[in-house]
Amino acid sequence: EVQLLESGGGLVQPGGSLRISCVASGFTFSSYAMSWVRQGPGKGLEWVSTISGSGGATYYADSVKGRFTISRDNSKNTLFLQMNSLRVEDTAVYYCAKHRVGPTDTLDYWGQGTLVTVSS
Amino acid sequence: AIQMTQSPSSLSASVGDRVTITCRASQGIRNDLAWYQQKPGKAPKLLIYAASSLQSGVPSRFSGSGSGTDFTLTISSLQPEDFATYYCLQDYIYPRSFGQGTKLEIK
Repeated sequence: EVQLLESGGGLVQPGGSLRISCVASGFTFSSYAMSWVRQGPGKGLEWVSTISGSGGATYYADSVKGRFTISRDNSKNTLFLQMNSLRVEDTAVYYCAKHRVGPTDTLDYWGQGTLVTVSS
Repeated sequence: AIQMTQSPSSLSASVGDRVTITCRASQGIRNDLAWYQQKPGKAPKLLIYAASSLQSGVPSRFSGSGSGTDFTLTISSLQPEDFATYYCLQDYIYPRSFGQGTKLEIK
């Protein structure tokens, strides 16, 4: 059974930094791309970042480019998102999600999310 | 970046109704589109991928169609557990982009 468990969320001041994590189980982690998707309070879903299975390719939304860094440790089945220069508008539940392999590589399994609140 | 426009943004329907939600891409995306269902306080759940392929375990009352720029999600006979918010996602190119969501409410 695929399981994704996020952690590391919390309250941080504007301009601060936070690193959130996602531990995966139930599949061969290194074989799959992974993404972060966020959802602000009362808002829709926003794709944030994706990393390939090897970690060699990364992609970012314009809204976080230069401030956020996605990475992974395949030996520990763990995905990370380092968030720097945080803004109030980064407040959201952050979900990690696994990509499927096939005709399209959409997101097939999601974690339950971790809440990041940016406020003074 | 590709913009995904969903309609309607909200919809009231009754149990047993047939419901259709549409998603339009600002440029052609082949059939690289997925549909998700999200209930309050829960993670999104994949329903349809590759525009029309049903994810394993999803009831057959859900179906998807379309290609290029116009896509639809149809629920053939609404069940009480289907009242939720639905999102489309384009998988064609980075940056990936979601539609703004369609909230399906009980009439």
